[in-house]
Amino acid sequence: EAGVAQSPRYKIIEKRQSVAFWCNPISGHATLYWYQQILGQGPKLLIQFQNNGVVDDSQLPKDRFSAERLKGVDSTLKIQPAKLEDSAVYLCASSFFGRTGNTGELFFGEGSRLTVL
Amino acid sequence: AQTVTQSQPEMSVQEAETVTLSCTYDTSESDYYLFWYKQPPSRQMILVIRQEAYKQQNATENRFSVNFQKAAKSFSLKISDSQLGDAAMYFCAYRSDWGYQKVTFGTGTKLQVIP
Repeated sequence: EAGVAQSPRYKIIEKRQSVAFWCNPISGHATLYWYQQILGQGPKLLIQFQNNGVVDDSQLPKDRFSAERLKGVDSTLKIQPAKLEDSAVYLCASSFFGRTGNTGELFFGEGSRLTVL
Repeated sequence: AQTVTQSQPEMSVQEAETVTLSCTYDTSESDYYLFWYKQPPSRQMILVIRQEAYKQQNATENRFSVNFQKAAKSFSLKISDSQLGDAAMYFCAYRSDWGYQKVTFGTGTKLQVIP
């Protein structure tokens, strides 16, 4: 079974530039998460999708971050314009939704490391 | 809103010894999941162990076991016979079993294994 795919693995940009990250979840997983992980800290949820609808984006800085999940499969997270404090690893995760046969586990991709200069 | 607290930013253990990582959480829900995830340096986050709140029996996975105290809202991870490969960040996580099943992570504990 293929895992969660993310790209690019690494990205270096200047502040005020834009960047986009892509995530393809495990097939059949209805729930997709984007987390921001600053060095030495725990993952912070940016946005959670249920199929192609947003169920939680309360911590997404909407003036500069946007995300979409067209057709309920893969997803793109965009930052425009980037700030120095956006330097972090952006983790994508997916999981089943519902209670029947659901172990509750999140499956993570390898992450996309962003450096803003 | 649920919160997860890991009060030990760093821990160290001698190889082959046992170490316990602490986690407490706050919730008003009765059904939920608790997890411990491991994140080696620059590597992927992977699941170590899982506990369903409705189960009284503590989960065990080989050298990893948990002490789940539902009333105290405590969920500690015990690693027995520690190995060099256990060195990593360990995150405690809470997943609601209701609504859209939000997942909240703690701040992590960095575990060092001393040869």
